[in-house]
Amino acid sequence: GNSVTQMEGPVTLSEEAFLTINCTYTATGYPSLFWYVQYPGEGLQLLLKATKADDKGSNKGFEATYRKETTSFHLEKGSVQVSDSAVYFCALNRDTDKLIFGTGTRLQVFP
Amino acid sequence: EAQVTQNPRYLITVTGKKLTVTCSQNMNHEYMSWYRQDPGLGLRQIYYSMNVEVTDKGDVPEGYKVSRKEKRNFPLILESPSPNQTSLYFCASSLQPGGANVLTFGAGSRLTVL
Repeated sequence: GNSVTQMEGPVTLSEEAFLTINCTYTATGYPSLFWYVQYPGEGLQLLLKATKADDKGSNKGFEATYRKETTSFHLEKGSVQVSDSAVYFCALNRDTDKLIFGTGTRLQVFP
Repeated sequence: EAQVTQNPRYLITVTGKKLTVTCSQNMNHEYMSWYRQDPGLGLRQIYYSMNVEVTDKGDVPEGYKVSRKEKRNFPLILESPSPNQTSLYFCASSLQPGGANVLTFGAGSRLTVL
């Protein structure tokens, strides 16, 4: 079946460090891929998405590239800020009724 | 403002006392869904609705009921809550299900069942 695996956290970084959060998926065909972010005390919100192979989603300095050959959608940011501290969820969606989420990765950024 | 509104945001109740968590969206979305979030398990879908009067079970429907009498509302009902339903609940909606459609989430409802 379809599934998403993402690295366990927490990921702890100093401000301005480089961030990578790994995400791999299992799915038939060509799913759409998403990163959602959950700030403390809030619901999830879309960070970025990609709908076909080699697409790059980007937003707020974050990027992720849809890699069909490695079934991956790793999230990266060149210089994190304290305000990026949150839980990040990788997710996929085939032409079905359900968005499938990974377990989430907590990012903690210290000044 | 386009949003999904859930109430209550926080609730402490006792085993067996029926409760309802309301969810309303103002975006004319066809698709609505309920998730629960638990540590180490991510988000798991409870129920979803493709349109008015159309609902279906997700991955963890036991102990829950839903209804979709109007397009904008999708309440989650716990007829007889138990401690294992202590969790953080999210309602979400999108224009259509699947594909590249983006879910809009409510702020969450934290439920504690004693």
